[in-house]
Order: sequence, then C-alpha cells, then structure tokens
Amino acid sequence: DAKTTQPTSMDCAEGRAANLPCNHSTISGNEYVYWYRQIHSQGPQYIIHGLKNNETNEMASLIITEDRKSSTLILPHATLRDTAVYYCIVRLNTGRRALTFGSGTRLQVQP
Amino acid sequence: ETGVTQTPRHLVMGMTNKKSLKCEQHLGHNAMYWYKQSAKKPLELMFVYNFKEQTENNSVPSRFSPECPNSSHLFLHLHTLQPEDSALYLCASSPRGEDTGELFFGEGSRLTVL
Repeated sequence: DAKTTQPTSMDCAEGRAANLPCNHSTISGNEYVYWYRQIHSQGPQYIIHGLKNNETNEMASLIITEDRKSSTLILPHATLRDTAVYYCIVRLNTGRRALTFGSGTRLQVQP
Repeated sequence: ETGVTQTPRHLVMGMTNKKSLKCEQHLGHNAMYWYKQSAKKPLELMFVYNFKEQTENNSVPSRFSPECPNSSHLFLHLHTLQPEDSALYLCASSPRGEDTGELFFGEGSRLTVL
C-alpha cells in the first residue's frame, strides 16, 4: 500500500472549516484513500473514503486531486469535539490487507 | 456506540498473571482484528480473523494468544507479560471479510503491566 505524508499538527478555529491535507504521491490506480480519526483514548472512527471522485457524507468531504497524488479532508464547521488525531490511509481494497495506521495529524480546534 | 464492545476497559496485572481481554460485535461482521497502541506510537496490527480463521499474525510474541470462537467474539489471552506490553488494545470488526478498509473499532482496553 502507498505511503502517506501528513502534517504533524494543525489548529483550527471553532466554526471554521478544517482542511487536512494528505500526500500520497505513489498511490496506484486501484488504491483507495481512507480517513479515520481518533479522539483521545478512544478507538479510531471511520470518516470517509474515496477512489477518484470527491466524496461527501454527514461528517466530512474528501477532495482528491485529479492526479490522485494528494487529498484533503474537509470538516466544514469544526467544533471542539472534532479535536482528534486524523489518519489518512491508502489501501488496496482487495485481498488480505488490514489497515496500516501512520502518525496522523493532530487537529486542535480552538474556541 | 460503534457496535463493538470491549471488556474490561481497564486492566492492571502483574507479570506472572494470566488475564483475558474480550471483544464482542453485534454488527454481523465477518472479520475481527486486534490492534495495539503504545504511548506515542501508531496503531500496530496484531491479529486478524476472517470467518473465525486466523489470517494474519503480525509477528506477535506468544505471550499474546488470540481466540475467535465465533464471528461475534474475539479474545486476547495474556500471560507472563512484560511492562512494555502496557498499551491500549483495540478490537475492530469489518463487513465483507478483509476486502474493505472500513473498520469499526471498540473503545479499547487499557492494560497496565506492573
């Protein structure tokens, strides 16, 4: 599975959009981009995933560049409860490939 | 509430004790996982079970012994652990076996080995 690079930490003001970037320049054509988050001392929570097209659900939007070498997770109106570590993971959705988590981005939402 | 329940939430044990962690999912999923998260380290995959069969053992020491009696239950038996085994142990499940990256995690069992 392709390697991902994320900033170590980011701040965001409450009520503003949080834009979390992820680079995955070695991604292959059939690898998906997954996003998870982990609130302190809890289990990770699935947020969203996509292959080529932009995706949106009730939690967030995922924007994938046309060349698929990077993506951005957007939390449209960040709240204090969105403070967490956010993980970007690239994964081939076939075969026995359990998710491999990196260090993620620690997002701090400021009041 | 993710539908994956882990017990106990906290466990303190001595190095000579034997204890077990339990995970139960009510989601009808086919695959179950154990991950370990040590302080300030990324999650590490330990074991994967797919339709009750172990499909992955990520070079985990034998003092950790998994058991999957059915698709809804997963145990991690612990014996003669070391202090460096203190960590948050996370259970997860996924639908459609392992052909998905959408995992549902429990809250974790925080283990302290004295």
